[in-house]
Amino acid sequence: QVQLQESGPGLVKPSQTLSLTCTVSGGSMSGNNDYWSWIRQPAGKGLEWIGRIYTSGRTNYNPSLRSRVTISVDTSKSQFSLKLSSVTAADTAVYYCARDREFSYGYYYYYSMDVWGQGTTVTVSS
Amino acid sequence: EIVLTQSPDFQSVTPKEKVTITCRASQSIGNSLHWYQQKPDQSPKLLIKYASQSFSGVPSRFSGSGSGTDFTLTINSLEAEDAATYYCHQSSSLPQTFGQGTKVEIK
Repeated sequence: QVQLQESGPGLVKPSQTLSLTCTVSGGSMSGNNDYWSWIRQPAGKGLEWIGRIYTSGRTNYNPSLRSRVTISVDTSKSQFSLKLSSVTAADTAVYYCARDREFSYGYYYYYSMDVWGQGTTVTVSS
Repeated sequence: EIVLTQSPDFQSVTPKEKVTITCRASQSIGNSLHWYQQKPDQSPKLLIKYASQSFSGVPSRFSGSGSGTDFTLTINSLEAEDAATYYCHQSSSLPQTFGQGTKVEIK
């Protein structure tokens, strides 16, 4: 079955750009109406949706982070990536990638995140 | 942005007891409400999608109900392995949002 694995530096200096990659294995990124999402979780806190990308390159971002976030996809490598610029200590968190799968129920279609990576911890510190 | 408010924030429960967690949305989201379980140092796992549909492989003691703005996750006959934090999540409108989480502790 599909598995996701995050990778990238665990330590980023303030004001620099955080860069993470999610590698998809065990299945194709294309062929379904799936989006591929990034979510983060500061230590001891709740989950925050960062944004998502479709394999066509279409993106949706959380307005709270939109000015600093770029999500891209490389289907030839089965990867999608997150860049978060001008980071501060507030961006310290566990970052997860997830598949945002389209499901159907009768005539209705909806999205739900059914597969998650194990998460990677990113610390912003000098 | 749709705000999801869960209650309670924390619950201490004995095994075999029934657990009920509620999630209230700040506006109607139809049935686009999903529930996740997160154990310490693990990623969230999907339990219930579209308010009441069990995700593949999830034990039958987990069930969901509700629509519109009020939703419930029920765990019948709690087991020790169910100790975790539970989150609701809405995908009705962007940005997607999560509830603040409900921590379930086993007495």
